[in-house]
Amino acid sequence: AQSVTQLGSHVSVSEGALVLLRCNYSSSVPPYLFWYVQYPNQGLQLLLKYTTGATLVKGINGFEAEFKKSETSFHLTKPSAHMSDAAEYFCAVTAPDKLVFGAGTILRVKS
Amino acid sequence: GAGVSQSPSNKVTEKGKDVELRCDPISGHTALYWYRQSLGQGLEFLIYFQGNSAPDKSGLPSDRFSAERTGGSVSTLTIQRTQQEDSAVYLCASSVGQGRHEQYFGPGTRLTVT
Repeated sequence: AQSVTQLGSHVSVSEGALVLLRCNYSSSVPPYLFWYVQYPNQGLQLLLKYTTGATLVKGINGFEAEFKKSETSFHLTKPSAHMSDAAEYFCAVTAPDKLVFGAGTILRVKS
Repeated sequence: GAGVSQSPSNKVTEKGKDVELRCDPISGHTALYWYRQSLGQGLEFLIYFQGNSAPDKSGLPSDRFSAERTGGSVSTLTIQRTQQEDSAVYLCASSVGQGRHEQYFGPGTRLTVT
């Protein structure tokens, strides 16, 4: 069965600092992986996805993630945090006709 | 274009009452999903539709929960005899297909059972 583990329920960074949100997955088949962001009282918005091909995936708002099969990881990064990045971030894997989500990581950006 | 819409945005109901939650997917999306988001359980899959059929309803927590989709479009999630543990945000998503296709989420319906 597919599963997702997000390390760190809360991450705090200073504005302008590197953002790193960790995601590890378990899948019995080649995975399709997604990162979603959720702002307060809103639905989920897709940041980026990995299906096949290039393992470094670029998304919206300057975020990117790298699929590492050997490490079963799909960590999300952004070189320079902005105040508007404060939100909850979810990593998800297809299983296969639905999404299985991690528990989420709340990102706090300090000025 | 129009995204996924859900109604109502908020619903407060008394324990034991029935509620209906509605989802309007993006036009042309054949796949439709319901998820539940709660503090203790995170984001949980409830049911998935392909067209009007539900190949996977494995996430429905009890027989008090049911869902239907008509015309390959609008879906309704019905909860009968609501309990306090049903309080959560119910999210609907749609997609052009399953698997590698991204799901587009609506804003959710916040259900509070008193």
